[in-house]
Amino acid sequence: LAKTTQPISMDSYEGQEVNITCSHNNIATNDYITWYQQFPSQGPRFIIQGYKTKVTNEVASLFIPADRKSSTLSLPRVSLSDTAVYYCLVGDILNFNKFYFGSGTKLNVKP
Amino acid sequence: GAVVSQHPSWVICKSGTSVKIECRSLDFQATTMFWYRQFPKQSLMLMATSNEGSKATYEQGVEKDKFLINHASLTLSTLTVTSAHPEDSSFYICSARDAAKNIQYFGAGTRLSVL
Repeated sequence: LAKTTQPISMDSYEGQEVNITCSHNNIATNDYITWYQQFPSQGPRFIIQGYKTKVTNEVASLFIPADRKSSTLSLPRVSLSDTAVYYCLVGDILNFNKFYFGSGTKLNVKP
Repeated sequence: GAVVSQHPSWVICKSGTSVKIECRSLDFQATTMFWYRQFPKQSLMLMATSNEGSKATYEQGVEKDKFLINHASLTLSTLTVTSAHPEDSSFYICSARDAAKNIQYFGAGTRLSVL
């Protein structure tokens, strides 16, 4: 059973910053937050992972408030190739955690 | 990121035959791998957890005798769809857990079509 809630879809334009928020009200103390990107007919690709505050890598940032009941994936200056489904997952990654995928957010980037 | 190789990328078979799908972690050892199934326009559904050297753990509703999982080494897990039927046609995806990074990496998926 998925532990997260995300918007079904979002639209954006090339060059804009996109923020996708995920709700996880019942997140457990040992749970981490992980985001994946999936293109049609491909396996999910790891984007970013974090526990609290802010995490940044070369492709995205992840913002996690103090109560950890939500998180926001931030994609700077998106391009058409960022059109994909984005999944937010929570789980105890330190203990062989299983991921139960929710519906994800379909991001449509327009020219 | 780490690479998980899945083979074949697509397969067509006749109803009643068995099909084996391989999942390999190429640059790390994975004591735990996972198998998912995804139908068109739907999300991934976890089928089972594959543990190296022990029996797989299946999710509720997944027939263990139909979907045989073997994880004989730290870099290879296989999923065999036995006596495949058209309703087994789907996109099968594996993942492997890199324990050093605590990240689950996914394979590219296998498209199975049963005629």
